[in-house]
Amino acid sequence: DAMVIQNPRYQVTQFGKPVTLSCSQTLNHNVMYWYQQKSSQAPKLLFHYYDKDFNNEADTPDNFQSRRPNTSFCFLDIRSPGLGDAAMYLCATSRERFSDRYEQYFGPGTRLTVT
Amino acid sequence: AQSVAQPEDQVNVAEGNPLTVKCTYSVSGNPYLFWYVQYPNRGLQFLLKYITGDNLVKGSYGFEAEFNKSQTSFHLKKPSALVSDSALYFCAVRDDYKLSFGAGTTVTVRA
Repeated sequence: DAMVIQNPRYQVTQFGKPVTLSCSQTLNHNVMYWYQQKSSQAPKLLFHYYDKDFNNEADTPDNFQSRRPNTSFCFLDIRSPGLGDAAMYLCATSRERFSDRYEQYFGPGTRLTVT
Repeated sequence: AQSVAQPEDQVNVAEGNPLTVKCTYSVSGNPYLFWYVQYPNRGLQFLLKYITGDNLVKGSYGFEAEFNKSQTSFHLKKPSALVSDSALYFCAVRDDYKLSFGAGTTVTVRA
């Protein structure tokens, strides 16, 4: 029962070539998150959507953008990938942001390689 | 800001022995605490959470965690570890609308 799906699982892109990562969910959750995780470090939140409301973290570079065309799908766009953007990108969802039913459900991740 | 700390980078145990992964927290107000596990090249899997109520929380795969308010700790435990429990474990606390993660603890269970 896949609940949070990420495609592709592995993505190779060239330095400076735009790339889009995809996330979909079957949970009908209101909130979708994008994280960057490097080298078994803790995931770092890039931004999240509450419904259609986009919320960017203060330290997320402008190079990273996101789109959420409907409840089920969310995309991460990297406009000009640099070598430092090579990482695992994790999508997560939660039903709400502030209620007790807050736990986040993560997808399997997309490992991005920049050549 | 809310935060958690995982004092051990690595934990090594023999299969069949008890497993403990430590986590301490620093919060204002009541903590919402979580444990996640990550297998190689996979996303994070939710194990358990503490919101309120019983101090002993039971979760997936035979794991449990004990909330200790006086020691500000939320240690993850498993009575008898399996080789398949070898993974990276993250403790996390809800900080406003997001999760604040610890640095992670790599658990290795040897046969």
